[in-house]
Formats: sequence, structure tokens, C-alpha cells
Amino acid sequence: SQQGEEDPQALSIQEGENATMNCSYKTSINNLQWYRQNSGRGLVHLILIRSNEREKHSGRLRVTLDTSKKSSSLLITASRAADTASYFCATVGGGAQKLVFGQGTRLTINP
Amino acid sequence: NAGVTQTPKFQVLKTGQSMTLQCAQDMNHNSMYWYRQDPGMGLRLIYYSASEGTTDKGEVPNGYNVSRLNKREFSLRLESAAPSQTSVYFCASMDSGVYSYEQYFGPGTRLTVT
Repeated sequence: SQQGEEDPQALSIQEGENATMNCSYKTSINNLQWYRQNSGRGLVHLILIRSNEREKHSGRLRVTLDTSKKSSSLLITASRAADTASYFCATVGGGAQKLVFGQGTRLTINP
Repeated sequence: NAGVTQTPKFQVLKTGQSMTLQCAQDMNHNSMYWYRQDPGMGLRLIYYSASEGTTDKGEVPNGYNVSRLNKREFSLRLESAAPSQTSVYFCASMDSGVYSYEQYFGPGTRLTVT
């Protein structure tokens, strides 16, 4: 069974607006990662946040992690048409080298 | 560098046929992974190889076998394909030595079993 649940399943916004996606997970983690998947392509790593971190930034991306609530959020600021994609959270637990993926949020940026 | 490559890109099989999906990476990564992605779902781990010479089952291993041929190559075999194995298959690799846990993905193989 998949570890994470993402919310919303689909999100449609206007170009220039901010997009927020949420991820909840069930067990303790070592780190949480976010990936992007453009239609028909493989996944691309965006950002990783470790369990002892609360917030991380990378360009227009901001990720938060609340281990007490077992949840994370991904904020994309000043969205662009090229941000249209599916976004997945993935967790790594304990000493495992395996990622467990959520079901993803499909983001559409309207021009 | 080509990164992670997969062949073929598309494949149609009849029920009961067998085939092998090939994956290769040129990043000298220790760990390699096979996932499947079904419509509306995230990726589910089929098998993984933490290092050359080792393989382990993931979440959905039934109906599949794998071979870690060398450090570069990790193949996935369907011995007797079933319609339930219609999916998109992704291979990934990771440099486990730096504990970054970032995985690099191939472009995928779209498999249809009729």
C-alpha cells in the first residue's frame, strides 16, 4: 500500500498564482522528497527535506514538513505554464533505500 | 551522460507471452529500481537492487523477475504476461553512497497486454 496521500488530487490555477499541494504519510521517515512528472515522461527530483528540517527553499519552490502531523506541503510561487505536471511526494523511512510514493497531484496552469 | 535509459519505449504483448524490459544507467550508481505506474496512481515498487549482486522484492513483485546483470544494468522479466500487468514501467537509480536518496528515472516503457 502507498504511504502518502496527496491533496488535492487535481489543481487548476491561473499563470502567476501560487500553487500549494499537501502530502500526508503514515509512518516515521528519514526524509521526504517531491518529484515532478510531465505527461508521458519519467519523474524528476525537485527537492528533499530531512526529518529534522521544517522548511526548505529552492528557487520558486518552498517545502514544509511537520513530523508531528506527518504532513508536508509544496508551494510553487509565481506559477508558469511550464509548471503544468503531476507532482508526487515520496518518503524514505529508517535505513531503507526505498521510496514510497503518494498518488500525486495533477497541476494545470492556465495561461 | 545519458542518465537512465530504458528499452523498449512501447510494447504490446498477448496474454501468456514473455518479455524482458532493459534498463541501464551510466552514473555509476549502486542502487537500481523497477516501478510500475497505473492510471491515477503513484509509482509502486516491483523490485530493487541495493548493490550489484543483490535483489529484493518491493510492494508488487508477483509475476515479475529481475536480474542485476552488472552495476550498470537491471532487467525486469515478465515470464507469462497478464492483462493486469498493463502499465507504464519505470526504472530508476540512486547513488546510495552519498545518502541523498534522490532517484533518477528513465523515460518509461508503456506495456499493453491483450
